[in-house]
Amino acid sequence: AQSVTQPDIHITVSEGASLELRCNYSYGATPYLFWYVQSPGQGLQLLLKYFSGDTLVQGIKGFEAEFKRSQSSFNLRKPSVHWSDAAEYFCALNSGGSNYKLTFGKGTLLTVNP
Amino acid sequence: DTAVSQTPKYLVTQMGNDKSIKCEQNLGHDTMYWYKQDSKKFLKIMFSYNNKELIINETVPNRFSPKSPDKAHLNLHINSLELGDSAVYFCASSQVTQETQYFGPGTRLLVL
Repeated sequence: AQSVTQPDIHITVSEGASLELRCNYSYGATPYLFWYVQSPGQGLQLLLKYFSGDTLVQGIKGFEAEFKRSQSSFNLRKPSVHWSDAAEYFCALNSGGSNYKLTFGKGTLLTVNP
Repeated sequence: DTAVSQTPKYLVTQMGNDKSIKCEQNLGHDTMYWYKQDSKKFLKIMFSYNNKELIINETVPNRFSPKSPDKAHLNLHINSLELGDSAVYFCASSQVTQETQYFGPGTRLLVL
C-alpha cells in the first residue's frame, strides 16, 4: 500500500528565512509526487509536481522540491519565506495506473513570524 | 473562468436531512473525484468517476451517492446526515492520461 508521511505537523519561521518542509513516501515503484498548498478557508492549489526526469522541480511562488529516490523523499524548499506563505502544505502521491487517486500526507502548518 | 467550481460553499443542516453538493469542471477533463477533509485537515479520496463511470469507491457509507450526469459534472448526494459527516468536501478533476488533479474551492458542511 502507498503512504505519505509529513513528519512536521507545525513549523514556524521568520519572514525572510529559508524553509524546508519534509515529505517521505512509501511505494514500490517511482511515484508521481505533488505539493499542494491550502490557505485558510481556501481550496488546494498545486505548487509543483514530479513525474520523471530532473529530480529538482520548480514550482509557483518561488518553491522548489527535490526528489530523492534513495531516501524516498520529496522535500519542499523556499529560499526566503514571505508572510503570505503562511498556510497548510500537503504532500501527495499518485501511483498512476487505472485509478489515479491521490494519497495525501497529514499536512504541515506553516506559520510565518514578522 | 473558475476551472473547478462547487456549490454551495457553505452548508449548515440538521442531522437526518438529505443534501447535495454540486461540482462542475470546465477543463475538459475525463476524470472527477470527491475528497473529504476532516477536522484534522486529513484528506481522503471518496469517489472517482471516469467518463461518467465509477472507478473508485473507498468504502464510503452508502448514504453517500455520487452522480455524474456528464463528464463535466460530479454531484454528491448525502442521505440521513450524521454529525460525523461534518467536514470540507473537495471536488477535483484530471485528464485520465495525466496525473495532475485540480481542486475546487471546497464545500464546508456542518451537521448540527
